Amino acid sequence: KQEVTQIPAALSVPEGENLVLNCSFTDSAIYNLQWFRQDPGKGLTSLLLIQSSQREQTSGRLNASLDKSSGRSTLYIAASQPGDSATYLCAGANAGGTSYGKLTFGQGTILTVHP
Amino acid sequence: SAVISQKPSRDICQRGTSLTIQCQVDSQVTMMFWYRQQPGQSLTLIATANQGSEATYESGFVIDKFPISRPNLTFSTLTVSNMSPEDSSIYLCSIGQGGEKLFFGSGTQLSVL
Repeated sequence: KQEVTQIPAALSVPEGENLVLNCSFTDSAIYNLQWFRQDPGKGLTSLLLIQSSQREQTSGRLNASLDKSSGRSTLYIAASQPGDSATYLCAGANAGGTSYGKLTFGQGTILTVHP
Repeated sequence: SAVISQKPSRDICQRGTSLTIQCQVDSQVTMMFWYRQQPGQSLTLIATANQGSEATYESGFVIDKFPISRPNLTFSTLTVSNMSPEDSSIYLCSIGQGGEKLFFGSGTQLSVL
């Protein structure tokens, strides 16, 4: 059974800093891994999806990596801004096909970027 | 990406009553999913709702407690039945689109007194 852990649980940084959020998973047979941000009252926003055959994905100031052998993924945020303040969740899928949509979520990292 | 509208956004309910949550998508999707996020916890999949067939429930979730309807390819409902305070959670619907990315509605914040 896949288990997903995120550290740290909370992170507070000054504006402009580069930061890394960590996600670890127990089952290396992961199919893909997705990073989300959650804002209060706004549900989840998909940020990046990394397939098991990929090592990283980039979107703007965000870069996510995936290392199946070590069971780890990181989300790198460059030049952080107060608008980046949110809860960041990683979630792993162990298969496509009929298991599509069955994501195992970590408990999230609460990020606060202060001016 | 598709626009997912979820109603109500929040509700406060009495113990023993039921609440139906609606999820409307502005395009046709094959699979819709219902997740629960209990206070301080991460998201857990309740069930997969397929049009034209019964929902598929995950371990720990049963149809009598969480009946789901999926009358067409753009709409689904989740009912939380005979509620107790332990059902206080955020309930979210989600869809798959553009490959295997999941997209989520804004959620329903449910409080049971």
